[in-house]
Amino acid sequence: KQEVTQIPAALSVPEGENLVLNCSFTDSAIYNLQWFRQDPGKGLTSLLLIQSSQREQTSGRLNASLDKSSGRSTLYIAASQPGDSATYLCVSTGGGNKLTFGTGTQLKVEL
Amino acid sequence: ETGVTQSPTHLIKTRGQQVTLRCSSQSGHNTVSWYQQALGQGPQFIFQYYREEENGRGNFPPRFSGLQFPNYSSELNVNALELDDSALYLCASSLGGRDGYTFGSGTRLTVV
Repeated sequence: KQEVTQIPAALSVPEGENLVLNCSFTDSAIYNLQWFRQDPGKGLTSLLLIQSSQREQTSGRLNASLDKSSGRSTLYIAASQPGDSATYLCVSTGGGNKLTFGTGTQLKVEL
Repeated sequence: ETGVTQSPTHLIKTRGQQVTLRCSSQSGHNTVSWYQQALGQGPQFIFQYYREEENGRGNFPPRFSGLQFPNYSSELNVNALELDDSALYLCASSLGGRDGYTFGSGTRLTVV
């Protein structure tokens, strides 16, 4: 059974800092790994999708990497802003197109 | 590309009633999944539909049921509502799952 763990569970940083969110998964037989953000009471917004054959993806200030052999993914956020405050979820897609959600990192970027 | 649309956005029901939540999948997507997210918790998988057939179900009782229509839109029905059914219900669609999932904004259900 796939288990996805995210570290840290919560993070508070001053505006402008570069930061790294970590995700680890137990089963490397995944189709892809997707990073989402979720604002309180809202749906999930996709940030980056990394296919199992890829090593990283970039979008603006965001960069995500994937290392299937070690069962790890990281999300790098450059020059953080207060608008980046949200919960970040790492989600794997595996057999049967089943999603496994990470435990989440609650990020707060302060002025 | 219109994304995933869920309706209604908010709903208040009385314990014992029945509710139907709706989801319009993103154009071209043939797979729809439903999730329940209680306050402060992660999403819990309810079930998934692929081309109108249920092809996966989480640990939810039979009073949670669903449908997928020929246009790949979907409904989630919950009978005999309980207070613990109060949650954000999320719908996600995909083209078979390999290209990632797109989520809707959710329906906030409150059972009183």
